Amino acid sequence: GENVEQHPSTLSVQEGDSAVIKCTYSDSASNYFPWYKQELGKRPQLIIDIRSNVGEKKDQRIAVTLNKTAKHFSLHITETQPEDSAVYFCAASMPGGGKLIFGQGTELSVKP
Amino acid sequence: DAGVIQSPRHEVTEMGQEVTLRCKPISGHDYLFWYRQTMMRGLELLIYFNNNVPIDDSGMPEDRFSAKMPNASFSTLKIQPSEPRDSAVYFCASSFPPAAAGYTFGSGTRLTVV
Repeated sequence: GENVEQHPSTLSVQEGDSAVIKCTYSDSASNYFPWYKQELGKRPQLIIDIRSNVGEKKDQRIAVTLNKTAKHFSLHITETQPEDSAVYFCAASMPGGGKLIFGQGTELSVKP
Repeated sequence: DAGVIQSPRHEVTEMGQEVTLRCKPISGHDYLFWYRQTMMRGLELLIYFNNNVPIDDSGMPEDRFSAKMPNASFSTLKIQPSEPRDSAVYFCASSFPPAAAGYTFGSGTRLTVV
């Protein structure tokens, strides 16, 4: 079955710097890659997603890139702010499969 | 819409007791998922339903765990008997087809088995 690896497990940056989180997936049939943000004690919430027919997608300070050949995708956060501090999860899904397989999560800490 | 509703928010029970977690998906969502979150294992998919039918239960840890979805607006996850290693946050999520369009998670149930 699908497996998603996520790195790094923890990431600390200074406010204003950029943060990059990377994920690799195992099944080349996967075609949907969302990213979730989970604040302490809260539920995971979708922040951005990308489909396999697109190489990059941006939404204000966040962007996601996808390399289908290498089977990896990345989350980029620019101009980080303390409120970006949270755990970020990547996930992958195959067509028609319905389920999302999540990476292990990255705890991002943005220091003021 | 009130979103995905889970109950209870917190549950503390003694080892050996039966625990039932409840979930009400968003109206119109015909996929429902149960996940377990721990520090060691992250977000694990336990089981998911499509149109009230279980599709994949390969993530259910063992026979002590069971899940049902008697109708489109209600699902339960039951643990009997419970053990301390079942302590975790259990999330329910629902989605609208295509299922890969992004889940909406409930607030979760924090289960502590002592």
